[in-house]
Amino acid sequence: SQKIEQNSEALNIQEGKTATLTCNYTNYSPAYLQWYRQDPGRGPVFLLLIRENEKEKRKERLKVTFDTTLKQSLFHITASQPADSATYLCAYHNAGNMLTFGGGTRLMVKP
Amino acid sequence: KAGVTQTPRYLIKTRGQQVTLSCSPISGHRSVSWYQQTPGQGLQFLFEYFSETQRNKGNFPGRFSGRQFSNSRSEMNVSTLELGDSALYLCASSKGQGTGGTSTDTQYFGPGTRLTVL
Repeated sequence: SQKIEQNSEALNIQEGKTATLTCNYTNYSPAYLQWYRQDPGRGPVFLLLIRENEKEKRKERLKVTFDTTLKQSLFHITASQPADSATYLCAYHNAGNMLTFGGGTRLMVKP
Repeated sequence: KAGVTQTPRYLIKTRGQQVTLSCSPISGHRSVSWYQQTPGQGLQFLFEYFSETQRNKGNFPGRFSGRQFSNSRSEMNVSTLELGDSALYLCASSKGQGTGGTSTDTQYFGPGTRLTVL
């Protein structure tokens, strides 16, 4: 079955460092991947979308890469801040307008 | 532009009861999708409505149903509640463009309804 997996362990980093989160998918070749941020008790917020023919996408301090050979997307936050602490989710569209999400990775940025 | 709103925000029910949750999408959005989020299973797709028709359905039992009105507002109903239905129920709205795996339709999520079944 189609799967999209993220590291379920929390990632703890020091303020100012670069956070790197991983998203792996199997048994499917998505045309693109999306990344969301979710804060406790709130709905996910869309951050970035990357297409399969794009190696890299940037938005301010965020960078996403998409490696179709490794079936993996990496999400980077440079110069991380405590306000970046949240759960980050990757997702792709299945047939129709249905998103399949990974389990999310919780990021904690310590001052 | 107002975001997606969901009511109620919190709900406590007992087993066997039924519940109706409401979602108002962003103005101009015609697609509304519902998701269930639990610590164990994560975010799982329930169904999507577009122009008052169910367009896609996830792998949930028939106790979970929904509908969409002509103003794009949507309701979700769960009958015969079970303890395992305790979850955060999220609704997401989008313009509804694209229906295949190549869709780039950004979904905007509401704050969710926290349902607790006792």
